[in-house]
Amino acid sequence: AQSVSQHNHHVILSEAASLELGCNYSYGGTVNLFWYVQYPGQHLQLLLKYFSGDPLVKGIKGFEAEFIKSKFSFNLRKPSVQWSDTAEYFCAVNAADRGSTLGRLYFGRGTQLTVWP
Amino acid sequence: SAVISQKPSRDICQRGTSLTIQCQVDSQVTMMFWYRQQPGQSLTLIATANQGSEATYESGFVIDKFPISRPNLTFSTLTVSNMSPEDSSIYLCSAIPRTGETQYFGPGTRLLVL
Repeated sequence: AQSVSQHNHHVILSEAASLELGCNYSYGGTVNLFWYVQYPGQHLQLLLKYFSGDPLVKGIKGFEAEFIKSKFSFNLRKPSVQWSDTAEYFCAVNAADRGSTLGRLYFGRGTQLTVWP
Repeated sequence: SAVISQKPSRDICQRGTSLTIQCQVDSQVTMMFWYRQQPGQSLTLIATANQGSEATYESGFVIDKFPISRPNLTFSTLTVSNMSPEDSSIYLCSAIPRTGETQYFGPGTRLLVL
């Protein structure tokens, strides 16, 4: 089974600082990759996704992520964070080359981001 | 996209009892799933809810403990049976719309077992 590692459990930044959250996965086949965000008191929302093509994907609210296949990584970035970005961020992986596992997401443990105004 | 609702949003239950959680999607979806998020941990897939057939369970989860129904393309239920305090968790329903591959999540059901 796939596993997903998010190395930073809690990140604290000041507004306007740059953000990079790490995500690594273990699966040798073709993958679909996702970042989900959970704002305080809200449910999980999709931030961005990668299925194929350009490994640099852009999502909502100025977030982007880069898929580096050789490193099994899909790190999330934002050049300048805002207080409203305070949330928990989850990386998730789905095996794209196994029809029977379509849709089965494996999640990392999440990274709590706190942005100070 | 898909808008997913769950009922109840939260509950406090006594050990040994069972709770059924309902999941309703606002449009027909191809696949529905149930996840668990235990305190301080990530989301773990419990099972894939198959329409018209038995659910497909992940390793460590069994039908007797977590029976699942999916009578149609927009509705599913998860029952947490014979509950113990270790079942205290957030249970989330998710679905993939017919028109895409992105998985959407419900708001979750927060369960506390005493």
